Amino acid sequence: KQEVTQIPAALSVPEGENLVLNCSFTDSAIYNLQWFRQDPGKGLTSLLLIQSSQREQTSGRLNASLDKSSGRSTLYIAASQPGDSATYLCAPYSHKLSFGAGTTVTVRA
Amino acid sequence: ETGVTQTPRHLVMGMTNKKSLKCEQHLGHNAMYWYKQSAKKPLELMFVYSLEERVENNSVPSRFSPECPNSSHLFLHLHTLQPEDSALYLCASSRERGANTEAFFGQGTRLTVV
Repeated sequence: KQEVTQIPAALSVPEGENLVLNCSFTDSAIYNLQWFRQDPGKGLTSLLLIQSSQREQTSGRLNASLDKSSGRSTLYIAASQPGDSATYLCAPYSHKLSFGAGTTVTVRA
Repeated sequence: ETGVTQTPRHLVMGMTNKKSLKCEQHLGHNAMYWYKQSAKKPLELMFVYSLEERVENNSVPSRFSPECPNSSHLFLHLHTLQPEDSALYLCASSRERGANTEAFFGQGTRLTVV
């Protein structure tokens, strides 16, 4: 069974600071990994999809890296803004998407 | 607009009621999923449909009954629920069930069982 751990559980930073969110997973035999954003009480918004053959993927201020062999992914958010406040979830895909508990980010204006 | 629409957004039901949650996707996807998100717990996969056929049922109690009449629509029929079933129910879809496909989620239905 795939176990997903996200560290830290919560993070509070001043606006403009860069964010580093960590994700680790126990089964390295994955096909891809997705990062999602979830606002309180809402659904999940897909941010990035990294294929197993890729090392990183970028979209605007977001950059995600993947080290499949060590079971790790990191999401970097550059120059954070208050609108980035949300819970961020990583989900490796082996035979299904498995989710961690997420990292709740607060960006202070 | 996520391409995956869930209705209703909020639902309060008694333990003896019967209700249904609806999910519709406009992305041309062939796989659809139901997830449950309880407070302080990770998302739990409930059911998977691929090409309108149920391919996965993760030990979900029979008081939850899914239905997929076509590749664009997915329902979750609810009856005689318990208060612990109160949660956010999320629907998702992907182009196909398998590797290298991106999953898209709806906004969820917040269910409260009283």
